[in-house]
Amino acid sequence: EVQLVESGGGLVYPGGSLRLSCAASGFTFTPAWMAWVRQAPGKGLEWVGRIRSSAEAGATDYAAPVKGRFTISRDDSKNTLYLQMNSLKIEDSALYYCTIDHYRITTTVVKPFESWGQGTLVTVSS
Amino acid sequence: QTVVTQEPSFSVSPGGTVTLTCGLSSGSVSTSHFPSWYQQTPGQTPRTLIYSTTIRSSGVSDRFSGSMLGNKAALTITGAQADDECDYYCVIYLSSGIWVFGGGTKLTVL
Repeated sequence: EVQLVESGGGLVYPGGSLRLSCAASGFTFTPAWMAWVRQAPGKGLEWVGRIRSSAEAGATDYAAPVKGRFTISRDDSKNTLYLQMNSLKIEDSALYYCTIDHYRITTTVVKPFESWGQGTLVTVSS
Repeated sequence: QTVVTQEPSFSVSPGGTVTLTCGLSSGSVSTSHFPSWYQQTPGQTPRTLIYSTTIRSSGVSDRFSGSMLGNKAALTITGAQADDECDYYCVIYLSSGIWVFGGGTKLTVL
């Protein structure tokens, strides 16, 4: 069974930094493309960004609102995904979910965000 | 910046049929966008209903179906039940390689 356990959330001042972690188990982490998705209280889902497998140089992609401030990384030896958040803004306050970006079943069939952690809450406030 | 559009809210009678749509602020949704649909009840993580336009996820009732409707992706719920009342999100894969979620549709069954 896939398990994704996020940690590291908390209260931080605007302009501050925070590092989230996601411990993965129950699947082969190394080749998986991993992603972070967030959800502000009472709001919708927002894809934050992803990291490809280390075999693909661990290349990353980010949503426009976080590009240049957030960095996603991974440690395959620990089956752990990270999200380094810098220059935090009030609008970054959200529940941050770790998820498997997608499974590519065939060239025309892609299954995104099949498994989710329970999330870790980030609150940016003065 | 591309916005994925969904109806903010929709209402359906118990036993009725409702179709929710997922569009793009500029251009048309196609199957190459791999549109997928999620159901989220309050306090829960999202659950995959449909992926790659029409494929029902394992364990999902056949009351839920995905399709293309003109230039949008669509989620149709037939025989609406009280526990279908929750939020529904679509997500689209853009050619730039990023995923973009729609704003979600709050479905009311009454």
